[in-house]
Amino acid sequence: AQKITQTQPGMFVQEKEAVTLDCTYDTSDQSYGLFWYKQPSSGEMIFLIYQGSYDEQNATEGRYSLNFQKARKSANLVISASQLGDSAMYFCAMREDHNNNDMRFGAGTRLTVKP
Amino acid sequence: NAGVTQTPKFQVLKTGQSMTLQCAQDMNHNSMYWYRQDPGMGLRLIYYSASEGTTDKGEVPNGYNVSRLNKREFSLRLESAAPSQTSVYFCASSATWRGSSYEQYFGPGTRLTVT
Repeated sequence: AQKITQTQPGMFVQEKEAVTLDCTYDTSDQSYGLFWYKQPSSGEMIFLIYQGSYDEQNATEGRYSLNFQKARKSANLVISASQLGDSAMYFCAMREDHNNNDMRFGAGTRLTVKP
Repeated sequence: NAGVTQTPKFQVLKTGQSMTLQCAQDMNHNSMYWYRQDPGMGLRLIYYSASEGTTDKGEVPNGYNVSRLNKREFSLRLESAAPSQTSVYFCASSATWRGSSYEQYFGPGTRLTVT
């Protein structure tokens, strides 16, 4: 089964600066999808960005971009121009296409944005 | 458009009691999911339903049963609650196209405590 690793339990960033949240994954499949979700203190899970394993370009959504390095099996989330509202837990997740309903999540990174 | 709704929001059970968590989505999604989230961990998949009338086990199915009542509704039942089932439970749904599933949309969660 696939495995997701987020090695940073907590991160701090100054408001308006960029921050990178790390995610590595382990799979033997060639076809898979990678996702990032945000969980604010209110508890809901908010989808941020998706990267398919065959996508040639890194995914971008507004201030979020995904630094996808397939050979290294990493899918780091980059948040540009951090805002106080970005303070939250961030989860990396992955599903393999041969069983695309089985999504596995990392343990998460708590991001704190300092004013 | 409510998205994914869950009831109840909070529940306290005594060991051995049973209860059903309800989930409904109004996005016409084929796939629905139940997860649990424990402190310091990401979400873990309990069960999923790829389409109406089908259900499959996820990573941690023991102690749970599910019912896909119709396309909109997917319930999770605890027949005999145990303290180890104290957790936050999330329901989610996703669209599918040509067998691939896309990003999952989550409900607000149910905080369950078993004493």
